[in-house]
Amino acid sequence: EVQLVESGGGLVQPGGSLRLSCAASGFTLSSYSMNWVRQAPGKGLEWVSYISSSSSTIYYADSVKGRFTISRDNAKNSLYLQMNSLRAEDTAVYYCARDYSNSWYVNVDYWGQGTLVTVSS
Amino acid sequence: QTVVTQEPSLTVSPGGTVTLTCASSTGAVTSGYYPNWFQQKPGQAPRALIYSASNKHSWTPARFSGSLLGGKAALTLSGVQPDDEAEYYCLLYYGGARVFGGGTKLTVL
Repeated sequence: EVQLVESGGGLVQPGGSLRLSCAASGFTLSSYSMNWVRQAPGKGLEWVSYISSSSSTIYYADSVKGRFTISRDNAKNSLYLQMNSLRAEDTAVYYCARDYSNSWYVNVDYWGQGTLVTVSS
Repeated sequence: QTVVTQEPSLTVSPGGTVTLTCASSTGAVTSGYYPNWFQQKPGQAPRALIYSASNKHSWTPARFSGSLLGGKAALTLSGVQPDDEAEYYCLLYYGGARVFGGGTKLTVL
């Protein structure tokens, strides 16, 4: 059974840092790209970042570029999101989502349950 | 700033048919945008329904179908059930980056 479990969320002050983790099981992480997606309270989904299976290709939304860093450790079956210079508008539930992309399709299929990040003083 | 637009809300009667659409500010949505569709109910994580415009996942009910329609991506629900009441999001691919639509709140009434 494919499972994605996020952790590392919590309360942080503006300007602070936080590192999110996503533990993958039930599939071979090294065969898949991954995404981070967030959802502010009462708002819609916002794509945050993408990392290819080998970490060779990385993309960020403009809203987090230069502040967030996505990474992965396939040997540890884990995905990470390092978040620096946090702002109140970064407050959201953060989801990791599996992504299988090639020349013929983009398939975002499995999602974790999310971890809440609250940026407040 | 790329914007993906969905109907904010739609209402459908049980047993009816409804089509949700997904438009891009960059122009017509084609297969190269690889539209994905997701369903989200309150307090739950999103659940994938459709990928690359029209492909269903193994768990996607047969009453859901995806297509490209009039320059937009479309999600059609046929024989709507009360359990289909939810928020629906599309996701488009922009050469690497992905962008979600604002979501459509579907009410079954």
